[in-house]
Amino acid sequence: QVQLVESGGGVVQPGRSLRLSCAASGFTFSSYGMHWVRQAPGKGLEWVAVIWYDGSNKYYADSVKGRFTISRDNSKNTLYLQMNSLRAEDTAVYYCARDNGYYDYVWGSYRFKFDPWGQGTLVTVSS
Amino acid sequence: DIQMTQSPSSLSASVGDRVTITCQASQDISNYLNWYQQKPGKAPKLLIYDASNLETGVPSRFSGSGSGTDFTFTISSLQPEDIATYYCQQYDNLPSFGPGTKVDIK
Repeated sequence: QVQLVESGGGVVQPGRSLRLSCAASGFTFSSYGMHWVRQAPGKGLEWVAVIWYDGSNKYYADSVKGRFTISRDNSKNTLYLQMNSLRAEDTAVYYCARDNGYYDYVWGSYRFKFDPWGQGTLVTVSS
Repeated sequence: DIQMTQSPSSLSASVGDRVTITCQASQDISNYLNWYQQKPGKAPKLLIYDASNLETGVPSRFSGSGSGTDFTFTISSLQPEDIATYYCQQYDNLPSFGPGTKVDIK
């Protein structure tokens, strides 16, 4: 079955770096775009970044642009999120999600669908 | 950036009740809207895509409608297992989520 397993979370001091991983199984990883979404404790969902199936395009939320880098290794079926210059406000559970969307040829646009999601990994930024 | 609002922020209803949540976008997003369910301590799950299409395997008591700036999510008959927070998500440009609506049983 399709499975996404995040790892790499933990406690880190402000200004330091951390790399998250998301191991994919049960589907052809190299055929799907992938997202990172985060959720601060007791708060709502915040989209973080997306990477195209082949790594050719990457987009970021303004809140992480210039500090976070999304990447993937299709030979290892793994998605990554490199997080630099971490701040207290980056404290959150980080989820990876497969982009199970499709291209709408009628409207000439891509339609995103986040499905499924991993179980999440907690990142705590604190001194 | 497109801003999403949801109302109410929380609600309490009885088993069997019809529950309706609204989501409003700050600009026209056509039908580029999804709905997700997040149960306590769990990852979100896709329920509705493209505003009104039921994801495979999702019970038919869930439905969605709307286009442009105003959208509605409905549970036709609330069940105990529907206790969760529900989020709308637009993807007209880069994705963003609404603030969520917490649903519990009265």
